[in-house]
Amino acid sequence: DIVLTQTPLSSPVTIGQPASISCRSSQSLVHSNGNTYLSWLQQRPGQPPRLLIYKISNRFSGVPDRFSGSGAGTDFTLKISRVEAEDVGVYYCMQGTQLPSFGGGTKVEIK
Amino acid sequence: EVHLVESGGGLVQPGGSLRLSCAASGFTFSSYWMSWVRQVPGKGLEWVANIKLDGSEKYYVDSVKGRFSISRDNAKNSLYLQMNSLSAEDTAVYYCAREVREEGLTDAFDIWGQGTVVTVSS
Repeated sequence: DIVLTQTPLSSPVTIGQPASISCRSSQSLVHSNGNTYLSWLQQRPGQPPRLLIYKISNRFSGVPDRFSGSGAGTDFTLKISRVEAEDVGVYYCMQGTQLPSFGGGTKVEIK
Repeated sequence: EVHLVESGGGLVQPGGSLRLSCAASGFTFSSYWMSWVRQVPGKGLEWVANIKLDGSEKYYVDSVKGRFSISRDNAKNSLYLQMNSLSAEDTAVYYCAREVREEGLTDAFDIWGQGTVVTVSS
């Protein structure tokens, strides 16, 4: 089974400043077809999760361009270029290269 | 507009059973794999099970194998989760989610319902 480890657990950020979240996989997420099935989701307080990024770096429909994803193999990063108040919540990485699994989550909060 | 609406949650005693439903609208339900994902209150997300377009393939997380059964009725645009032999560890919010698939793999979960709460307690 693939285990995803996210760091940090919590990220206090000043509005307008950047935030970065890391997701590390216990094994490579590169599938034999050459693609890497790593996505990022946002869960605002009291809301269901919402898809932000898929296949490492592709923004989903309607997602602001301040969100970006990068990485390869076992190490991936979600970056928010300038945090806004509405970005408060918990962020999860998810892999689909094997049966789906999620990282433990990173809480983004305003300082 | 695309919608997923879960129902069927509630309070159940340990060892009991519950059947969750998820009603889909706004898209061609029969064209998508569907999943159930759960979240213990205050904790992270755990994928539970998924099902192929026609119901011919089903997969489960190890912790629910033999106890939970996923099914679908494409004529009713509905997804189900039959949960048996429930324990306190199954207490969670249960979400249904639509899958984006590529070459037989789960690319992402692009649409989520609001969730239904299952509480297992005596």
